[in-house]
Amino acid sequence: RKEVEQDPGPFNVPEGATVAFNCTYSNSASQSFFWYRQDCRKEPKLLMSVYSSGNEDGRFTAQLNRASQYISLLIRDSKLSDSATYLCVVNLDYKLSFGAGTTVTVRA
Amino acid sequence: EAGVTQFPSHSVIEKGQTVTLRCDPISGHDNLYWYRRVMGKEIKFLLHFVKESKQDESGMPNNRFLAERTGGTYSTLKVQPAELEDSGVYFCASSQFTSGRREQYFGPGTRLTVT
Repeated sequence: RKEVEQDPGPFNVPEGATVAFNCTYSNSASQSFFWYRQDCRKEPKLLMSVYSSGNEDGRFTAQLNRASQYISLLIRDSKLSDSATYLCVVNLDYKLSFGAGTTVTVRA
Repeated sequence: EAGVTQFPSHSVIEKGQTVTLRCDPISGHDNLYWYRRVMGKEIKFLLHFVKESKQDESGMPNNRFLAERTGGTYSTLKVQPAELEDSGVYFCASSQFTSGRREQYFGPGTRLTVT
């Protein structure tokens, strides 16, 4: 079983739309949670940490459900620049485990 | 503030040769990590340094891989001898020791091709 299973997409959405996707993780001892974005042939860039109470960063909202071991990301008012692969990442003892990524394409 | 840097950006070598990758972490970051992404797979953890000490090397695939971080600054990852399955993108990341959230910041990666 993979440590992090992610909704693969792709999600093709028009500018201004809302898009949401999620992931699940297998190890209940996981300590912290993140969303990274990765553009083609680039490094993963930290988008946001995910807190138990849920958190927002501008147009991005992340939710964590520890009981269900489920993490979600919602993007409001999508921009062309949001087109990327979004990686669900969990941390256990400094070791990050990555999902395979969800591809989002925002079209004009 | 400069980010994580890696050298070289690309390397093409023949099977059986040796390659050394270098990573310079963000200044002041005591934690340094190596990860690898092989074609079609997720990014996988290789190892973790705290300063010059190896904290966790559970992800190292075999003894052909040797990582060092002399002096607790930059790190090198040597592959000797390289095999075809070692091809992939090798990422380095760093984080502050005191960061409770343990956010890791990634370098641009070294794309290794073994032919």
